[in-house]
Amino acid sequence: EDQVTQSPEALRLQEGESSSLNCSYTVSGLRGLFWYRQDPGKGPEFLFTLYSAGEEKEKERLKATLTKKESFLHITAPKPEDSATYLCAVLAGTALIFGKGTTLSVSS
Amino acid sequence: GAGVSQSPSNKVTEKGKDVELRCDPISGHTALYWYRQRLGQGLEFLIYFQGNSAPDKSGLPSDRFSAERTGESVSTLTIQRTQQEDSAVYLCASSSRTGGGDTQYFGPGTRLTVL
Repeated sequence: EDQVTQSPEALRLQEGESSSLNCSYTVSGLRGLFWYRQDPGKGPEFLFTLYSAGEEKEKERLKATLTKKESFLHITAPKPEDSATYLCAVLAGTALIFGKGTTLSVSS
Repeated sequence: GAGVSQSPSNKVTEKGKDVELRCDPISGHTALYWYRQRLGQGLEFLIYFQGNSAPDKSGLPSDRFSAERTGESVSTLTIQRTQQEDSAVYLCASSSRTGGGDTQYFGPGTRLTVL
């Protein structure tokens, strides 16, 4: 059965304390892996698409990487405005499978 | 250029009525996604259109839900015999790369309330 698991469920960081969020998956026919960010009460914001193992993408303090079994979202020197729920989803065939998300809180 | 637009922005309907939600993607975008987000819940995938390929309907919550897209243009999501559990924000997104890749641009959503 296709499955996407995100960990941890919640993460509290101090401003400037770098860390990583994990998205592990077991799917057949991976076509892409997506990362989103969502602030409370707001619509989702698309962050990255990764297509194949070894691929990396960066945007400001965020860097997403992909292996054959998992993806990491690395957050370098986070700021309070990085606080949000981060969602990972895998496109397998023509279906998109979401993880349950990681809620990140960054305090100053 | 114009972004993804959705209509209506808000819809209040009575239980048992049919509703039709519309999504206008960015011109030239081959991929179009429908999502649902219930109050206080996570984002839920409904269906994905890629070019002229037949979509996978397995993500649709029930057979009361259907979606269509003509070519690379407008998409409609139809909910028949609405139930209170269908109340949610329905989001549409489009992207330009085969395989659903690159940036997905979200519309503002349609807030559906079923009384």
